[in-house]
Amino acid sequence: GAGVSQSPSNKVTEKGKDVELRCDPISGHTALYWYRQSLGQGLEFLIYFQGNSAPDKSGLPSDRFSAERTGGSVSTLTIQRTQQEDSAVYLCASSLTSLGGEQFFGPGTRLTVL
Amino acid sequence: GENVEQHPSTLSVQEGDSAVIKCTYSDSASNYFPWYKQELGKGPQLIIDIRSNVGEKKDQRIAVTLNKTAKHFSLHITETQPEDSAVYFCAATSGGTSYGKLTFGQGTILTVHP
Repeated sequence: GAGVSQSPSNKVTEKGKDVELRCDPISGHTALYWYRQSLGQGLEFLIYFQGNSAPDKSGLPSDRFSAERTGGSVSTLTIQRTQQEDSAVYLCASSLTSLGGEQFFGPGTRLTVL
Repeated sequence: GENVEQHPSTLSVQEGDSAVIKCTYSDSASNYFPWYKQELGKGPQLIIDIRSNVGEKKDQRIAVTLNKTAKHFSLHITETQPEDSAVYFCAATSGGTSYGKLTFGQGTILTVHP
């Protein structure tokens, strides 16, 4: 079956521009997560959507970052007024339930801010 | 919050040898410990996981051990093969409202030489 998909796979933008990154989770998965992976680093938690509950935004690094999940499926991560330090791979994952367990990752979006 | 430390950062072995990667965690409430393998240009993929009510779990050439008292867990790969070369991440997640939110180690670059 189809896994988690993300688009675009690569995004190059200029400092100060806004960007939107999209995630399509596995159908039927109620939990969706965004992580950020800087070059040679581990994965940093950003935000977690769990069913119809309020999202856990505790990992968002600044108010320039926001995310939404429409209809319990597709999610969009928006970065406003991008900075060079935002350059990283943004990974999305989904899991069957909000009770933990295996998270299935997408291939990521590589964001480069010039 | 949770903090996960992973060692070593790089590991080089000969084909057929064993490889061991170790992680420590800080939050005694953590109860789920997955290990992910990430190949170049791809998202992480779960290879094995263990829950806090189990001390050891094995799946063919891969095993994970958990010591709750010492708050550390380890990945063991036996009879390594060149295709095992990748970056390996450990992670931990706590229960309660943060259930499902993974905290990752910094990763180990494993190289298996033919």
